[in-house]
Amino acid sequence: KNEVEQSPQNLTAQEGEFITINCSYSVGISALHWLQQHPGGGIVSLFMLSSGKKKHGRLIATINIQEKHSSLHITASHPRDSAVYICAVSLVGSYDKVIFGPGTSLSVIP
Amino acid sequence: DTGVSQNPRHKITKRGQNVTFRCDPISEHNRLIWYRQTLGQGPEFLTYFQNEAQLEKSRLLSDRFSAERPKGSFSTLEIQRTEQGDSAMYLCASSLGLARETQYFGPGTRLLVL
Repeated sequence: KNEVEQSPQNLTAQEGEFITINCSYSVGISALHWLQQHPGGGIVSLFMLSSGKKKHGRLIATINIQEKHSSLHITASHPRDSAVYICAVSLVGSYDKVIFGPGTSLSVIP
Repeated sequence: DTGVSQNPRHKITKRGQNVTFRCDPISEHNRLIWYRQTLGQGPEFLTYFQNEAQLEKSRLLSDRFSAERPKGSFSTLEIQRTEQGDSAMYLCASSLGLARETQYFGPGTRLLVL
């Protein structure tokens, strides 16, 4: 069993739809990251969470430490949101040793 | 552009050759981390530096891999006697080194070993 799992693995949505990507983990963490990776390979950090909820533009990330679960929501999705979204966790005691999930490939169709 | 640069962006080499990649982090960042990402997978931690000190290495980093950060600024990752299984994207990230600090990723170096 992978230490960080994501669902769904692939997601296709119509422009404007509300999107949710889920992440669950089985290790003790100090922080959880949501990252966006575009086809060229570049990775952008979207959020770093240790509790509660964060919002940036149309993106919302939540985390439930007790349930070891996080969600990334995209409101009013747009084709430019098409990318791979990766959930990653920093292990307790080490913010630098990050374990990455397998990613969720999102395609938003006009 | 996150401010982290990597060179080269692509490298094709024959099996058995040595390759070296370079990462230039954001200038004030103390921590520098190397990851490897194979097709369809999330990145995997390889090693990280706090200034010039290499503090942790993954078991993924075989004896053929070596990383340095001699002056605490840029870092190099060398792979000796490359194997086809080394083909991957090699990502570098940097951070200030404070607790709860986000990492900034470079564009990666894509290695193909023929």
